[in-house]
Amino acid sequence: DGGITQSPKYLFRKEGQNVTLSCEQNLNHDAMYWYRQDPGQGLRLIYYSQIVNDFQKGDIAEGYSVSREKKESFPLTVTSAQKNPTAFYLCASSIGQGASYGYTFGSGTRLTVV
Amino acid sequence: KQEVTQIPAALSVPEGENLVLNCSFTDSAIYNLQWFRQDPGKGLTSLLLIQSSQREQTSGRLNASLDKSSGRSTLYIAASQPGDSATYLCAVRGEASGGSNYKLTFGKGTLLTVNP
Repeated sequence: DGGITQSPKYLFRKEGQNVTLSCEQNLNHDAMYWYRQDPGQGLRLIYYSQIVNDFQKGDIAEGYSVSREKKESFPLTVTSAQKNPTAFYLCASSIGQGASYGYTFGSGTRLTVV
Repeated sequence: KQEVTQIPAALSVPEGENLVLNCSFTDSAIYNLQWFRQDPGKGLTSLLLIQSSQREQTSGRLNASLDKSSGRSTLYIAASQPGDSATYLCAVRGEASGGSNYKLTFGKGTLLTVNP
């Protein structure tokens, strides 16, 4: 079955450390996204990518970085510059521009600063 | 800037009751609207997708309507069950040109509890 796989499910980060969250999809979708979810704030867009080797900042990109070297993969790095990284991170994909299809989401990664 | 509001923030009902969840959005220039379900600590599961040209979509006990001109959508759940307990999220995809039409704007969700 096609879908989005996020790993790990839980991740712990020490102060000053960079960590990378994995997102892989086998849906052959062109566009991929990273959202952050905090209690009471809803989902906010961090980065998105429409095609391979291209990505754009979302609403809260500061302290994060991404890459899109393969269509299937869109890893998110949470850098030490992100002052409040504890949150639930969700990866999503969609077919792309011009299509009226919805989004598919992964199961999420919960990041905690220790 | 698109804003999405969901009312109520929380709802508790007895099993078997029919219920309606509301979603409103400020910019009617949308591609589509999608309803999701989220269980605690889990990802989002897509329930229904309504294109801007459609008025409603149905899946089993779920029916979603869209009034694009007034910026409103409702999710109707018939004969609710305890297994329906979850957070329900509404999201709209804007028509803006360039990259921003990829973006989903979410409401904060309605936490539904169905009591046996």
